[in-house]
Amino acid sequence: DAKTTQPPSMDCAEGRAANLPCNHSTISGNEYVYWYRQIHSQGPQYIIHGLKNNETNEMASLIITEDRKSSTLILPHATLRDTAVYYCIVPKAGNMLTFGGGTRLMVKP
Amino acid sequence: KAGVTQTPRYLIKTRGQQVTLSCSPISGHRSVSWYQQTPGQGLQFLFEYFSETQRNKGNFPGRFSGRQFSNSRSEMNVSTLELGDSALYLCASSFSRTEETQYFGPGTRLLVL
Repeated sequence: DAKTTQPPSMDCAEGRAANLPCNHSTISGNEYVYWYRQIHSQGPQYIIHGLKNNETNEMASLIITEDRKSSTLILPHATLRDTAVYYCIVPKAGNMLTFGGGTRLMVKP
Repeated sequence: KAGVTQTPRYLIKTRGQQVTLSCSPISGHRSVSWYQQTPGQGLQFLFEYFSETQRNKGNFPGRFSGRQFSNSRSEMNVSTLELGDSALYLCASSFSRTEETQYFGPGTRLLVL
């Protein structure tokens, strides 16, 4: 997998937008960026993925820079239930995900 | 649609024993992957099965093995358990090998005493 770099931890106030950055400077032209999150002791949950264009779904928005070397996951109105570890992954084909340390997001009241 | 299910959810074994964990993928999904999560090593890929064949394998000793059945259900087995095998074992399924979105089960927490 293309190596990704994320800050180890971030705080966010409840109700505010949480912006989680990820660097993936070695990404190849046809590789997607995926985001998963893991709430304590549960299985990881798929959030969103994208290739070049910005993407939005009911959970989050994904902003990918034009050179594709970095991306930002945006949770528009963070709630306490969004407290989790967020993983940015650029997977190889074949369903072998490589999880780094992720970003531990703490949403505070 | 039902999600990925894993059984059992919790398990306690002693060193030297063997254990079998089960995973039922989302209906229609044919690819099943297994991961191990420990506090020290984080989430690590164990292996992937598709059409009853192991397609990828992570860097784990041969004590870790698995199989997939014709209905896509999968089992993983760990023989001669060691204390370091204590972990959360996660199963994930996806529709195909080219569909990279994986859906994870709740995991089986294994404690080796």
